[in-house]
Amino acid sequence: AQSVSQHNHHVILSEAASLELGCNYSYGGTVNLFWYVQYPGQHLQLLLKYFSGDPLVKGIKGFEAEFIKSKFSFNLRKPSVQWSDTAEYFCAVNDGRTGANNLFFGTGTRLTVIP
Amino acid sequence: KAGVTQTPRYLIKTRGQQVTLSCSPISGHRSVSWYQQTPGQGLQFLFEYFSETQRNKGNFPGRFSGRQFSNSRSEMNVSTLELGDSALYLCASRQTSGVVDTQYFGPGTRLTVL
Repeated sequence: AQSVSQHNHHVILSEAASLELGCNYSYGGTVNLFWYVQYPGQHLQLLLKYFSGDPLVKGIKGFEAEFIKSKFSFNLRKPSVQWSDTAEYFCAVNDGRTGANNLFFGTGTRLTVIP
Repeated sequence: KAGVTQTPRYLIKTRGQQVTLSCSPISGHRSVSWYQQTPGQGLQFLFEYFSETQRNKGNFPGRFSGRQFSNSRSEMNVSTLELGDSALYLCASRQTSGVVDTQYFGPGTRLTVL
């Protein structure tokens, strides 16, 4: 089974700082990769996804992520964070080879942006 | 289009009881997946239903079961509740069963077992 690692459990940044959240997965075959965000009191929302093609994917709200196959990584980035980006961020992977739908999630990274 | 809805939003039960949670997917979506979210274990996959058939199952005991109806609505049942079953139970729907299809999550049902 896949495992997903998010090494940063809690990140605190000031507004306008740049953000990079790490995500590594264990399976080296065909994978589909996702970043979800959970704002306080709200449900999980999709930020961006990678299925194939350009390894640099752009999502909503200025977020982007880069798939680096050789490093089994899918790090999330944003050049300038805002207070409204305060949320919990989850990286998720499913196995594109088996056709199984289930997502394997990382443990999440809590981002706090200080105004 | 309305999103995924889950009822009830909050539930308190005692050990040994059973509970049924309900999920209505986005209109037109035929696949429904269930996840358990806890502070210790994070988000873990329970099972997926597509066209009333269980397609995939996570590593949970048989006390956890589910079903899907012809209108794609799904229910999840947990029997003989244990304290460790306290969690946020999330439902996610997607249009097809293909892996490249995106899952959309509902707000969850917060289950507390006393």
